[in-house]
Parts: sequence; structure tokens; C-alpha cells
Amino acid sequence: NAGVTQTPKFRVLKTGQSMTLLCAQDMNHEYMYWYRQDPGMGLRLIHYSVGEGTTAKGEVPDGYNVSRLKKQNFLLGLESAAPSQTSVYFCASSYDLASAGTQHFGDGTRLSIL
Amino acid sequence: AQSVTQPDIHITVSEGASLELRCNYSYGATPYLFWYVQSPGQGLQLLLKYFSGDTLVQGIKGFEAEFKRSQSSFNLRKPSVHWSDAAEYFCAVGATGGGNKLTFGTGTQLKVEL
Repeated sequence: NAGVTQTPKFRVLKTGQSMTLLCAQDMNHEYMYWYRQDPGMGLRLIHYSVGEGTTAKGEVPDGYNVSRLKKQNFLLGLESAAPSQTSVYFCASSYDLASAGTQHFGDGTRLSIL
Repeated sequence: AQSVTQPDIHITVSEGASLELRCNYSYGATPYLFWYVQSPGQGLQLLLKYFSGDTLVQGIKGFEAEFKRSQSSFNLRKPSVHWSDAAEYFCAVGATGGGNKLTFGTGTQLKVEL
């Protein structure tokens, strides 16, 4: 019963490096989301997807890109990491809210940019 | 645009005492409302949700919340707090359509004194 799995759990990068965070869900959810969590700011939506092959910008999309090539996977990319992107990143997935869908969260990826 | 306010950043209660965490939302239509809990180093776990119907909602771990449209509030309550309830609590409001996005409050950190 995996639910939402995020890879990796921890990572340290140098400024300017690139990396990809992977999110995988096994619940056949249509919707997937990437958030970042910073102290005192709650969770802020970076990008989201309403289905395979679709992506859209959230509240704080700058510096990030995403792809949803398969329904079960949602990738978050940092092309040129900056210290301001040091954060905890959470992935979530859900059914449609109108179908009483709620967002299920992974355990997070802790990313430090030096 | 929807928004959520959690006015209390930190709350400390004694074990066995009652608890109420405040949440106020702003949304133009009938909202979908959620409370999530986050233990240190973990992802977010759904406590309860309000979609429609009875305004008093029961959740897991003995929590309940009451939707009050006139006050735009969705406060979380528990009659008797246990030490294991120490965590951070997030209120969120969701909207159907446009990706079913959630907007989170900034969270309330609960400390339980033994």
C-alpha cells in the first residue's frame, strides 16, 4: 500500500546544479501536485497536473519545470538551483474534488542548495 | 481568489485539556474545507473534510470541526488532548474546477504539556 512515493528523500546541491524530483502514485489519481513548504508559510503550490500529458502553473512556479508523461508519475525539475529553492518539497495526488477526492501526500524531499 | 487564515502560530495545552484551533477562509462559493496534521519529518495526513451536508464533521483521532458559513470559519476541536497530538495543523480550502487546487493556511504548531 505505497500511496504517494517521493524520490529522493534528501538531497544537497550546489548553486547552479540541476536535478529532478520524482513522484509516483499507485492510486490511479488523475490530479497531481507539487508544493514547497517553508517555515511560517504553509504549503505553496508550484505546479500541478490534471491528467497525463498536462501541466499548469501554481502559485510559485518560477525556477521549476514539471512533466507528466505517465499518469502515475509527476516529475519536478530544477534546471539551475538557487539557494532560495532550499525547502521541503511535497507531492500530492487526488481524484476530482467533486467526487469527494482528497489530496494524499508523500513524505517529502528535503532539498538544500548551497 | 481563495485564502485561509490560521491566526494562531503556536498553541500550548496541557494533556487532557480541550483544544480548539481556529481557521477562517475566504471563498466566493460553498467551499471544500480540510484539516491536515503533520508530524515532524512527515507528510500531511488528512484529519477530516467538509464537502456538504452536516456542518459538524467527525475525523480521525477524536477530532471534529464545525463549518460556520456566517463566520467563514472551520475550527478544529478535540475534547481531550493526548501528548501524541503534538504536531503542526493545517487548514485548507479547495475549489472544484481549474485543477481542484488547495490553498493552505500557514499552520498552527501545537505543543502538549504533560
